[in-house]
Amino acid sequence: SAVISQKPSRDICQRGTSLTIQCQVDSQVTMMFWYRQQPGQSLTLIATANQGSEATYESGFVIDKFPISRPNLTFSTLTVSNMSPEDSSIYLCSIRLDTSGNTIYFGEGSWLTVV
Amino acid sequence: QQQVKQSPQSLIVQKGGISIINCAYENTAFDYFPWYQQFPGKGPALLIAIRPDVSEKKEGRFTISFNKSAKQFSLHIMDSQPGDSATYFCAAHSGAGSYQLTFGKGTKLSVIP
Repeated sequence: SAVISQKPSRDICQRGTSLTIQCQVDSQVTMMFWYRQQPGQSLTLIATANQGSEATYESGFVIDKFPISRPNLTFSTLTVSNMSPEDSSIYLCSIRLDTSGNTIYFGEGSWLTVV
Repeated sequence: QQQVKQSPQSLIVQKGGISIINCAYENTAFDYFPWYQQFPGKGPALLIAIRPDVSEKKEGRFTISFNKSAKQFSLHIMDSQPGDSATYFCAAHSGAGSYQLTFGKGTKLSVIP
C-alpha cells in the first residue's frame, strides 16, 4: 500500500474564500483522484489528476471552481474556490499504485466546513 | 458514471450475527468490485474486492458473493463484532486505464452487544 497524507485535515472557512488542499504520497504514482463526500453521503469523483496531463473533471465539477495541480508523481493540490456552505464536505485524495493493479487507496480526507 | 445501488441504508445486527449488504450495478463494463469500510473521521479503507470471473471471495470473516448474470454482489460479515460498526460502501470501476470508482450510497452498520 502507500501512505497518503492530506493537509489540512480539518478547517473552518469563511464564505467566499478559497482553500487549497494538499495531497502527498510516499510513492510515485501516475494516477491520482479527488473525491468529495458531502455530510452523511457517498463519495463522488471530482476529477482525475494524472501526472503529465491536465486534470479531467467529472460532470458537475469545473476547473474554475476546483482547480487542480499535479506537479510531480508524489504530490497534488485541489483548490476549492469561492466557497459557499454547500461546499462543506470531506475532500479525499486517492491513488492507484502503479504496481497495485485495480486497488484504489484513499487518504484520511480534508474536512471543510464553510460558514 | 453509471449507478451502483446499495441496500440497506442502515443495518443493526447482534454481536455474533451475520451482516449482509447488497449491491447491484448497471454498467456491464465494470470489472472490479471493491468494498470499503469507513469509520467516523477516517477515510475509506479497502476491505475486500472481487473480479467478475470469481463467484465468491473470502478473507477472514468477510466474504463477497458475486452474481454476474444478475449484476449483483454482496458483502457478508460473519460473527459480526461491535468493532465492525462502521459505514460500508460498495464500489465498481472498469479498469482499462480508467480506475474511476463509482460508489454505492453506503450502509451504516451497527453491531450491538
